Amino acid sequence: AQSVTQLGSHVSVSEGALVLLRCNYSSSVPPYLFWYVQYPNQGLQLLLKYTTGATLVKGINGFEAEFKKSETSFHLTKPSAHMSDAAEYFCAVRLNTNAGKSTFGDGTTLTVKP
Amino acid sequence: DAGITQSPRHKVTETGTPVTLRCHQTENHRYMYWYRQDPGHGLRLIHYSYGVKDTDKGEVSDGYSVSRSKTEDFLLTLESATSSQTSVYFCACSGAGGIETQYFGPGTRLLVL
Repeated sequence: AQSVTQLGSHVSVSEGALVLLRCNYSSSVPPYLFWYVQYPNQGLQLLLKYTTGATLVKGINGFEAEFKKSETSFHLTKPSAHMSDAAEYFCAVRLNTNAGKSTFGDGTTLTVKP
Repeated sequence: DAGITQSPRHKVTETGTPVTLRCHQTENHRYMYWYRQDPGHGLRLIHYSYGVKDTDKGEVSDGYSVSRSKTEDFLLTLESATSSQTSVYFCACSGAGGIETQYFGPGTRLLVL
């Protein structure tokens, strides 16, 4: 079984400030972990993913996430927020199976203030 | 991005009527998925397909059926729509399961009155 908890349904930062979106997971086997971004009235777009190997993963648009097994976390960060980063972000976990079934968190809405 | 389209993009229907949503992809991807998105619930998997005529249930499959007669098309049917099925429906596809990236369609907004 697998589950995902995103801490904070809404996060607000000022432009240029650090972005930190939190994700904790529960999985019975080593998971694959994903972050997606959704802009208004659009589908989800992959930001980054962790499968195996290096625990610090870099993605698109300057985002990165670090897999911490001991903390069962996969938090998303960006050093300096841009107005264009305002969107909804979803963390997802997938088990090591061939079906690719994903379990998504409830989402975090990021607001960027000028 | 994978070429994924969904139709219709918006639909209003009445309780008790059947509704079919279509997902079409041009990437020859083997796996296809239907999710629903509701406020406070993220995305939840309804059904998925791992090949033509091969489908299986997700976590919220009650009241839904699917069919896949061609690689490129994956249909989601609400047999008798209910107000609780008002939602945004997303289709996704991937070349394989496991670590493969899932590509999402633009979504279908369904309102059941």
